[in-house]
Amino acid sequence: DAGITQSPRHKVTETGTPVTLRCHQTENHRYMYWYRQDPGHGLRLIHYSYGVKDTDKGEVSDGYSVSRSKTEDFLLTLESATSSQTSVYFCAIRGVGQDQNEQFFGPGTRLTVL
Amino acid sequence: GQQLNQSPQSMFIQEGEDVSMNCTSSSIFNTWLWYKQDPGEGPVLLIALYKAGELTSNGRLTAQFGITRKDSFLNISASIPSDVGIYFCAGLPYSGAGSYQLTFGKGTKLSVIP
Repeated sequence: DAGITQSPRHKVTETGTPVTLRCHQTENHRYMYWYRQDPGHGLRLIHYSYGVKDTDKGEVSDGYSVSRSKTEDFLLTLESATSSQTSVYFCAIRGVGQDQNEQFFGPGTRLTVL
Repeated sequence: GQQLNQSPQSMFIQEGEDVSMNCTSSSIFNTWLWYKQDPGEGPVLLIALYKAGELTSNGRLTAQFGITRKDSFLNISASIPSDVGIYFCAGLPYSGAGSYQLTFGKGTKLSVIP
């Protein structure tokens, strides 16, 4: 158990509204990642963080922003949600030591944008 | 970006049968990971491979890191109903970019017929 929680687990929102998803980890991992998962596309990286206030873009970052003000929390914000952002969002952390090439995933947030 | 070709996309097997799936890439990887995802949950790491030619088992699961570093295989022996789910491969490119970004296959959906 990598001690990763995501909130909310489910959310329905309307087009044009801002949405923030939270990822929380309890084991002081430096690297954290946000992915989206869609049928036919698999897991795609949105943004990642390599420390407090240190973030960078992934493959599908348009329309998303992130923030990391504390080691344990990594927030994903959809500034103005669109229907194309309906997806399942996963947070992941990078392992440490002998597990440093591995990533461990949270339970996911299912987001529906109407 | 880089892509992993995972096959088959789906498979239906009888309980008790063995299962094989694989991932291939045009690029070299220095780590291969295999995950399983149950409906409504996040991917769970099953096996991690670090050396070309490495063969690693986890119960009835066996995975191999291909000699060319461009492929990996997962075998499940004597399948049971709880093996149902989606299996993903993931690889860490040999360039080892500082972000430790994984590349994912699109998954193999396994159905087991009792």
